[in-house]
Amino acid sequence: GESVGLHLPTLSVQEGDNSIINCAYSNSASDYFIWYKQESGKGPQFIIDIRSNMDKRQGQRVTVLLNKTVKHLSLQIAATQPGDSAVYFCAETSYDKVIFGPGTSLSVIP
Amino acid sequence: DGGITQSPKYLFRKEGQNVTLSCEQNLNHDAMYWYRQDPGQGLRLIYYSQIVNDFQKGDIAEGYSVSREKKESFPLTVTSAQKNPTAFYLCATIQGSTEAFFGQGTRLTVV
Repeated sequence: GESVGLHLPTLSVQEGDNSIINCAYSNSASDYFIWYKQESGKGPQFIIDIRSNMDKRQGQRVTVLLNKTVKHLSLQIAATQPGDSAVYFCAETSYDKVIFGPGTSLSVIP
Repeated sequence: DGGITQSPKYLFRKEGQNVTLSCEQNLNHDAMYWYRQDPGQGLRLIYYSQIVNDFQKGDIAEGYSVSREKKESFPLTVTSAQKNPTAFYLCATIQGSTEAFFGQGTRLTVV
């Protein structure tokens, strides 16, 4: 796992603004990337995914961007709402192996 | 209703006791993972198994043990050797290059 027991970085965003959460991944061979949302006391839940042969994918209010050159993944949330407050994890997978990023805590200011 | 079931949701352990956390899946996934999460922190890998009767240590395996006798089940035992076991424990499964599915977690507290 990527996490080493450090406290999560925090991103504070005004309600209605756009949020951008970034993630650096480690394995050039990873072929599938996912963003998860974890609410307090619950397991992480799937938000959006992207395959390595793509550089952008859009969902409802969310967009994932993949830059394979610099091994960087980002999650953009449009018109952030209070219900978006959570911890967000990126993950990379390849052949039954999954590696999670350290996570970012998003706090939405009403 | 497919998914991953972790039980119990809350677990209390006395000092020096071993406790076992259950993780059951009916997704027919080969790979299963156990993570530990401390307050305000990310996921740390304890153990993982990619096939029945085989498992590998993760980053923080000391004080924990697992078994994988059946594809559906991957129980985690927190032994008395784990000096600071109070945490939120998450089980996950994955099949191939797809998303990982998580259980709802077990919150373990030492009393």
